[in-house]
Amino acid sequence: GQSLEQPSEVTAVEGAIVQINCTYQTSGFYGLSWYQQHDGGAPTFLSYNALDGLEETGRFSSFLSRSDSYGYLLLQELQMKDSASYFCAVNSGYSTLTFGKGTMLLVSP
Amino acid sequence: DGGITQSPKYLFRKEGQNVTLSCEQNLNHDAMYWYRQDPGQGLRLIYYSQIVNDFQKGDIAEGYSVSREKKESFPLTVTSAQKNPTAFYLCASSIGMTGRAKNIQYFGAGTRLSVL
Repeated sequence: GQSLEQPSEVTAVEGAIVQINCTYQTSGFYGLSWYQQHDGGAPTFLSYNALDGLEETGRFSSFLSRSDSYGYLLLQELQMKDSASYFCAVNSGYSTLTFGKGTMLLVSP
Repeated sequence: DGGITQSPKYLFRKEGQNVTLSCEQNLNHDAMYWYRQDPGQGLRLIYYSQIVNDFQKGDIAEGYSVSREKKESFPLTVTSAQKNPTAFYLCASSIGMTGRAKNIQYFGAGTRLSVL
């Protein structure tokens, strides 16, 4: 089967750095994606890692360790608008994604 | 603008009634997906289609049905057999089989279904 674990909630203050972890157990693995969803809205793609290491996209970075079945999303210079749910998702190679339950990030002033 | 349109935004179902959620995309994507989202839960896959006239069950297909007669359309019917249909339903599309490449899924704004 497939399972992904991520914390249910993370809190931080504006300007800080926060890391959201994701561990996975899947029967197949091609890569790990991250999506952002504001309350009641559509999820939007943030980043993707197929190989070990860090991918940087502006204030957001994502890391993958395939040997540890582990990845994280790093958000820097937090802004109030970053308050949202963040989902990790595994690409098993069949055009489908398996999503984690999501981490709600609360950014306070 | 290219994108995915879901309608209606809110839908109410009576006991024993079938309801159909619409999903249309103009991104020229081959693959389309339906997810169910419950409060505090991730996205669970109901059905997906990789090509016209073909679709596969996802993890929670019982009580749902779909069709894919046109590339741009992938409607979802919530049947009376689905005993707990209250949820947020999201439709997505992607370019399709990508192997090791990233499979970016683009989502619609969702339909919130409630039972009267």
